[in-house]
Amino acid sequence: GENVEQHPSTLSVQEGDSAVIKCTYSDSASNYFPWYKQELGKRPQLIIDIRSNVGEKKDQRIAVTLNKTAKHFSLHITETQPEDSAVYFCAASGYSSASKIIFGSGTRLSIRP
Amino acid sequence: GAGVSQSPSNKVTEKGKDVELRCDPISGHTALYWYRQSLGQGLEFLIYFQGNSAPDKSGLPSDRFSAERTGGSVSTLTIQRTQQEDSAVYLCASSLATGYSNQPQHFGDGTRLSIL
Repeated sequence: GENVEQHPSTLSVQEGDSAVIKCTYSDSASNYFPWYKQELGKRPQLIIDIRSNVGEKKDQRIAVTLNKTAKHFSLHITETQPEDSAVYFCAASGYSSASKIIFGSGTRLSIRP
Repeated sequence: GAGVSQSPSNKVTEKGKDVELRCDPISGHTALYWYRQSLGQGLEFLIYFQGNSAPDKSGLPSDRFSAERTGGSVSTLTIQRTQQEDSAVYLCASSLATGYSNQPQHFGDGTRLSIL
């Protein structure tokens, strides 16, 4: 079955700098890759997702890149702000609706003022 | 519109008791997941329901855990003979998974379960 690895487990960056979180997956049939943000004590919320027919997707300060050959995908946050502090989870799933979504172990991002 | 609703929001019970946790998914969402999240940890997959297919129970940690989804909508997660290590937040998520592709999951606020 699918296995998703996420790095780093913790990340601290200066406000205004960029943050990058990387994930690898094992199942070459996976084609849907969402990213979730979980603030302390709150539910995970989708921030961006990408499908395997594109290599990069942007939404304001957030971008995700996908390399299907290498089976890895990354989240990039530019011009970080204090409200970006949270735990971020990557995930992967296959094409079929029968394929469950598998999550990475999470990255705790802290933004230093 | 209404999101995923979970109840109760908090549950405190004594070791050895049974508990039932409820999840009301977003109307029309065919896929429903249960996860367990211990303090400061990741999302541990428990069980996955998709339409009328047999559920994927591969994440249930022991036979004390079971789940049902009645009428393709509301789901109940039952933990029998609770143990202290069952203490965690139990999250439910639903999505509009179709035969073509997976769709984003929408999470509920979770049930915080504490076993004394």
